[in-house]
Amino acid sequence: DAGVTQSPTHLIKTRGQQVTLRCSPKSGHDTVSWYQQALGQGPQFIFQYYEEEERQRGNFPDRFSGHQFPNYSSELNVNALLLGDSALYLCASSFQTSSGNTIYFGEGSWLTVV
Amino acid sequence: DAKTTQPPSMDCAEGRAANLPCNHSTISGNEYVYWYRQIHSQGPQYIIHGLKNNETNEMASLIITEDRKSSTLILPHATLRDTAVYYCIVKRSGGGADGLTFGKGTHLIIQP
Repeated sequence: DAGVTQSPTHLIKTRGQQVTLRCSPKSGHDTVSWYQQALGQGPQFIFQYYEEEERQRGNFPDRFSGHQFPNYSSELNVNALLLGDSALYLCASSFQTSSGNTIYFGEGSWLTVV
Repeated sequence: DAKTTQPPSMDCAEGRAANLPCNHSTISGNEYVYWYRQIHSQGPQYIIHGLKNNETNEMASLIITEDRKSSTLILPHATLRDTAVYYCIVKRSGGGADGLTFGKGTHLIIQP
């Protein structure tokens, strides 16, 4: 049973460019969340997708957008990249309901903006 | 979600039990306590979670005080591979419908 998988693992972009990161949730999970983790900090919640819609959003600008596909996989898009967007981007998957549920994380995508 | 307070760092000798405290004095009745850890440059790894009863799994034990205002994560026989940042998180519901709010966590260093 594959866990949460993310691609690419590492990438370098230039300021002003756009980037797309991809995530496949753990088998059977219907909810995908994205987090940004700057160096030395804990992960910060960006947004969550369920039933192909954004359900919750953290304190991130509109440059950060996403999408969820019918097979529950998801993409994170960041436009007009800034140097400060350099971080580890983590995808997490879970079931939307069910109490006592566990949220699983992928290994992340390292983004460097130069 | 209630906030949590953890010591920034702790040391533990290899083979001994590591006890990581967490204070969550404003926790609500329907909030769960989750523990995750993150080994350098890897994604967070789920360890354990609980609502009000003590919990144990193959990785650790979670002891929640009766008033639920604090908890302790216990790694019974710490190894060098347990060196990581440990995050205590209080979450509004047990489902996957809410994002997790990470603090700075506790950097646990296992000494040989």
